[in-house]
Amino acid sequence: NAGVTQTPKFQVLKTGQSMTLQCAQDMNHNSMYWYRQDPGMGLRLIYYSASEGTTDKGEVPNGYNVSRLNKREFSLRLESAAPSQTSVYFCASSGQRDSLRNSPLHFGNGTRLTVT
Amino acid sequence: DAKTTQPPSMDCAEGRAANLPCNHSTISGNEYVYWYRQIHSQGPQYIIHGLKNNETNEMASLIITEDRKSSTLILPHATLRDTAVYYCIVRSSQGGSEKLVFGKGTKLTVNP
Repeated sequence: NAGVTQTPKFQVLKTGQSMTLQCAQDMNHNSMYWYRQDPGMGLRLIYYSASEGTTDKGEVPNGYNVSRLNKREFSLRLESAAPSQTSVYFCASSGQRDSLRNSPLHFGNGTRLTVT
Repeated sequence: DAKTTQPPSMDCAEGRAANLPCNHSTISGNEYVYWYRQIHSQGPQYIIHGLKNNETNEMASLIITEDRKSSTLILPHATLRDTAVYYCIVRSSQGGSEKLVFGKGTKLTVNP
C-alpha cells in the first residue's frame, strides 16, 4: 500500500514548455486534489475531483488543466509553463465522506517544479 | 477563502505542552475540524479530527469549545521533531463542496 504517489519528484522546464504531473492513489479514494505551495505560503487549491468523472476549480486554477483518468489517477497539466508556476505541487486523496466515516486527506510527497 | 484563523507562529519549550489555537467562528453543524502538520517540505500529515467532542490519539489531543467556534490542538510533550507548520481546516461530513482550503497555518518552533 503505497498511498499517494506523485511523479516526477523534480522537474525543470523552460518557459512555454508543457508537462503533465502524475498522481495515483491505491486506497480506493473517491476524492483527489491538486495543491501548490510557494515559499512561506500555505497550500493553495488548484483543482479537485470529488469523484471519478468530475473536476472543479479551486482557488488558483488559471494556467492548469486536470484529468481524472480513472478512480486511481488524477493528472495536472501545464500547457505553457510560466516562471510564476515555479512551486511545489502536492496531490492528495480522500475517502468516502459521511457522518460515520469522515476521511482525512492523504498527501503525496510533492513534485518540485522550476520554470526558467 | 480559508474558514479558519490561526496565529502565524508560536514557540514552545521541549518537553512542555504545545497548545495551538484555531478560530472557526463560521463553522456549520456538519463540519468537522481537521488538523494537519507539514515538516520541512514534506507532504502534510494528518494529525486528528473532531466534530464536537474532544478527541485524543497517539499524536495529540483536540479540544473543541462547546459553541464549536474555536478549537485547540494539544501536543502534550513537545519534542524537537514536532517543529512544523500546523494547519487547521474545516470540512463538511456530508455532501457539499470538496473545495478544501488551507490557510497559512501556525509555524510551531520547539526549542531545546
